[in-house]
Amino acid sequence: ETGVTQSPTHLIKTRGQQVTLRCSSQSGHNTVSWYQQALGQGPQFIFQYYREEENGRGNFPPRFSGLQFPNYSSELNVNALELDDSALYLCASSFGGEYTGELFFGEGSRLTVL
Amino acid sequence: GENVEQHPSTLSVQEGDSAVIKCTYSDSASNYFPWYKQELGKRPQLIIDIRSNVGEKKDQRIAVTLNKTAKHFSLHITETQPEDSAVYFCAAWNSGGSNYKLTFGKGTLLTVNP
Repeated sequence: ETGVTQSPTHLIKTRGQQVTLRCSSQSGHNTVSWYQQALGQGPQFIFQYYREEENGRGNFPPRFSGLQFPNYSSELNVNALELDDSALYLCASSFGGEYTGELFFGEGSRLTVL
Repeated sequence: GENVEQHPSTLSVQEGDSAVIKCTYSDSASNYFPWYKQELGKRPQLIIDIRSNVGEKKDQRIAVTLNKTAKHFSLHITETQPEDSAVYFCAAWNSGGSNYKLTFGKGTLLTVNP
């Protein structure tokens, strides 16, 4: 069974740039959710994709967008990067969509915005 | 939207003692409450969860209680061991309407002293 993998693990961007983070879900899972975790804080829900459709969104501006592909892998795109976007971005996969169960997290992508 | 408050932010206990972490939530539509453990530099991992139709759930040394009326739920760890040292996050899953959302608390740093 393949776990959740994320890439890249670390990256540095400058303010105003755009970034794409990638996530491969665990085998058999059809739901992917993304979280932003600032240092010393709990994960903050960005959005969730179920069968290629966004079916949940947290309090993040539209410059945070995503995609889910037919193989259930996913991308998180962030445009017009701001300094406050510096954080660990976690992807989690699960099976269920509307009825959530255990989330399996990836190791995260640590983004630094200078 | 949902707001999850978690207390205490830090907790230090002696090995063998019990530890209790409490969370409150604001939205009565929340119906699933997981607890995640995150060791330093690692991904969050589910340790126990409870659904809104259950008042208590136990798994060996770990138990969770839920009071829907008061909108609070708690994690109880008995006979703590040094390997229990980590950050613990509570969360509430809200499936109100068609916008699904998982809201995490800010975390509790538990230190178990040998």
